[in-house]
Amino acid sequence: DAKTTQPPSMDCAEGRAANLPCNHSTISGNEYVYWYRQIHSQGPQYIIHGLKNNETNEMASLIITEDRKSSTLILPHATLRDTAVYYCIVGPASGGSYIPTFGRGTSLIVHP
Amino acid sequence: GAVVSQHPSWVICKSGTSVKIECRSLDFQATTMFWYRQFPKQSLMLMATSNEGSKATYEQGVEKDKFLINHASLTLSTLTVTSAHPEDSSFYICSARRGRGTETQYFGPGTRLLVL
Repeated sequence: DAKTTQPPSMDCAEGRAANLPCNHSTISGNEYVYWYRQIHSQGPQYIIHGLKNNETNEMASLIITEDRKSSTLILPHATLRDTAVYYCIVGPASGGSYIPTFGRGTSLIVHP
Repeated sequence: GAVVSQHPSWVICKSGTSVKIECRSLDFQATTMFWYRQFPKQSLMLMATSNEGSKATYEQGVEKDKFLINHASLTLSTLTVTSAHPEDSSFYICSARRGRGTETQYFGPGTRLLVL
């Protein structure tokens, strides 16, 4: 079973920020939060990951709450090409035996 | 960096034939590769974990004799669907982990299999 919960769908206007929430209340101390997205009929794409500090890269920002039980992926200026299913998963930084589990994710639709 | 390729991108075959799908990490060595299957409007379902030089570990419910996995090198893993049947029609996706202290996965573009 997935260790995260996400809303099944969201929509956002083009050019606005898209804020995608994820709950991971059972996350353990050594587990990171990873975000991926899957555009229709393509393989998933890595976006960002973090442990407890907020992270930012060229694709998105990741805000993790202080208690680490939830996080938000922020696409600062959503475009139509950001329409995809976004997956939030938790896992260790390394360990060798980690088995990634994908839930249903959030289907984000960016509209004009 | 971190590019993963799959070949073929799509395949149509007759029932009873075998199909081989290749997954390659193009610019890094992947100690571990994962194989997923995805049915329409569903999430990715992990089929097996493939470690270089050892036998693959299959998830519960996945037949190891039907889905043969070979991970002969640090850049190549293959999935062979033996005696394919229409119910095996799906989107097969591989991913690779660098194995340098990170669990970040890099995914291939997927292979769409249609068994007639």
